[in-house]
Amino acid sequence: SQTIHQWPATLVQPVGSPLSLECTVEGTSNPNLYWYRQAAGRGLQLLFYSVGIGQISSEVPQNLSASRPQDRQFILSSKKLLLSDSGFYLCAWIPGLGSVGELFFGEGSRLTVL
Amino acid sequence: LAKTTQPISMDSYEGQEVNITCSHNNIATNDYITWYQQFPSQGPRFIIQGYKTKVTNEVASLFIPADRKSSTLSLPRVSLSDTAVYYCLVDGDGSARQLTFGSGTQLTVLP
Repeated sequence: SQTIHQWPATLVQPVGSPLSLECTVEGTSNPNLYWYRQAAGRGLQLLFYSVGIGQISSEVPQNLSASRPQDRQFILSSKKLLLSDSGFYLCAWIPGLGSVGELFFGEGSRLTVL
Repeated sequence: LAKTTQPISMDSYEGQEVNITCSHNNIATNDYITWYQQFPSQGPRFIIQGYKTKVTNEVASLFIPADRKSSTLSLPRVSLSDTAVYYCLVDGDGSARQLTFGSGTQLTVLP
């Protein structure tokens, strides 16, 4: 069966520090991968999505970046965090081109920037 | 891309049927409609998916009219544990899987 893992689950970082959140998917091939952010009491904001290795689409200009070095690995990064980067980050996957399915979400990573 | 519009919030009482409607006026021919449920500090989870007419599973029903410009999620006999945010998502099988959620509907079930 397919599983998705993301880590770390919780982190507290000072303003200006770097960030790296990792997400891996198991049990599937060629998934579409997504990073979402959810601020407190708000909806899901799509940050990045990827339809293949090395292919990243950015939805919101900001100081975050994403990379997909392997088919089932998706990384969210920042060189210098801002206070506004605080939030709940969710990685998700869905079957790729040619199929309709459901989005599967990871457990989430709660980031607090101080 | 089909943009979705939902009511921001709804209140209901335990045991009642709840219907949440989503508008998606520019839905494409190959788009499906999927509903998700989200509890605080968790990722959304799949409830139901449909293309047209009616779909029913063990937890909900999904009604889609012929023009497919809207859909209604029906939750029978809600309980307190159904208090959550509900999102509808419109998606096709194309390569541009830009899956953008709308604002969602906060359902509060009261005792």
